[in-house]
Amino acid sequence: DTGVSQDPRHKITKRGQNVTFRCDPISEHNRLYWYRQTLGQGPEFLTYFQNEAQLEKSRLLSDRFSAERPKGSFSTLEIQRTEQGDSAMYLCASNDVGARNEQFFGPGTRLTVL
Amino acid sequence: DQQVKQNSPSLSVQEGRISILNCDYTNSMFDYFLWYKKYPAEGPTFLISISSIKDKNEDGRFTVFLNKSAKHLSLHIVPSQPGDSAVYFCAASDAGAAGNKLTFGGGTRVLVKP
Repeated sequence: DTGVSQDPRHKITKRGQNVTFRCDPISEHNRLYWYRQTLGQGPEFLTYFQNEAQLEKSRLLSDRFSAERPKGSFSTLEIQRTEQGDSAMYLCASNDVGARNEQFFGPGTRLTVL
Repeated sequence: DQQVKQNSPSLSVQEGRISILNCDYTNSMFDYFLWYKKYPAEGPTFLISISSIKDKNEDGRFTVFLNKSAKHLSLHIVPSQPGDSAVYFCAASDAGAAGNKLTFGGGTRVLVKP
């Protein structure tokens, strides 16, 4: 399967704990995006990378959130000191800088903060 | 402020009939529009897109219409099939925005009855 993969698919954690999610994009894609989707809403942009450079972060991304893409391949999204409001589906997407806008999404990681 | 809105949260249609999904946007800088389909426990999958230089794009049973003056687009599915039952998201991007990030509407849940 050469699609976007995300791990884990589900994560339950207690408030105050740190969590880390991983995204593996389609191998030839140099752009990688993170979105967050809460119940009944559409995905909201969090941040994106072109190769290993993080080029934009949404103001939704508080200081407790950090994302990396160290070698321009997979990416990680870490949330420190989780809060109940962080409960959401975290979606990763990728595309090629040459492709205008179609982004290919992974299945998402559902985070539940108790 | 919601820059992309889907005002109908749900739609029910008989198999074989036409499904019409609507989307409105406020940002006049948006110049590319996409529709995604989402099944439960899966990431959004791309359906069809349209550039602002066009007013119609067709792909099989799916047609997207764009009315720039009204800042309105619609997705027509003809004929509707039970497998089309899913949540549909309208998304938009601005060529001038870094990374062509997508701004999504809140989604419309479609139920196609056999």
